[in-house]
Amino acid sequence: EAGVAQSPRYKIIEKRQSVAFWCNPISGHATLYWYQQILGQGPKLLIQFQNNGVVDDSQLPKDRFSAERLKGVDSTLKIQPAKLEDSAVYLCASSGREGSTDTQYFGPGTRLTVL
Amino acid sequence: AQSVSQHNHHVILSEAASLELGCNYSYGGTVNLFWYVQYPGQHLQLLLKYFSGDPLVKGIKGFEAEFIKSKFSFNLRKPSVQWSDTAEYFCAVTNAGGGNKLTFGTGTQLKVEL
Repeated sequence: EAGVAQSPRYKIIEKRQSVAFWCNPISGHATLYWYQQILGQGPKLLIQFQNNGVVDDSQLPKDRFSAERLKGVDSTLKIQPAKLEDSAVYLCASSGREGSTDTQYFGPGTRLTVL
Repeated sequence: AQSVSQHNHHVILSEAASLELGCNYSYGGTVNLFWYVQYPGQHLQLLLKYFSGDPLVKGIKGFEAEFIKSKFSFNLRKPSVQWSDTAEYFCAVTNAGGGNKLTFGTGTQLKVEL
């Protein structure tokens, strides 16, 4: 079974530029998550999708971050404009259902450096 | 809001030593508890999880964890570590009955020396 795919793996940009990350979840997984992991911290949920609808985006900085999940499969997370404090690893995860007992499977992440 | 504390940020052990990593959570309701591991250069993967029933949970690679409700703890243990256990370990919690939002601790970096 193929895992969660993410691209790019690394990205370096200057502050105020925009950037986009892509995620392809495990086939058939209805729920998709984006997490932000700052160095020295645990991952923090940014947004959760159930199919193509948003379940939780309470911790997404909506003035600069946006995310979409077209057709309930792939997802894109965008930052515009980027700030220095956005430097982090952005993790995508998916699970088969929304239930709190369902295992989340993580992708390799995209490491973003904002200069 | 729920939170997770991992007290040991860096742990160094010799091979065959016993391991115990602490994890405490703060949430008044029913929770589901997880330990995830990230080996060098690899992605996060599930080590074990607790939802209900026997509070002693066994996971992959000889790891186990014990849920002690009265102490709000879910400590990870392994009787004899190997060099290949070198990794970062994250404790996480979801709110049972709610969505599947994982709240992670800050992680413990384990280094096992030969």
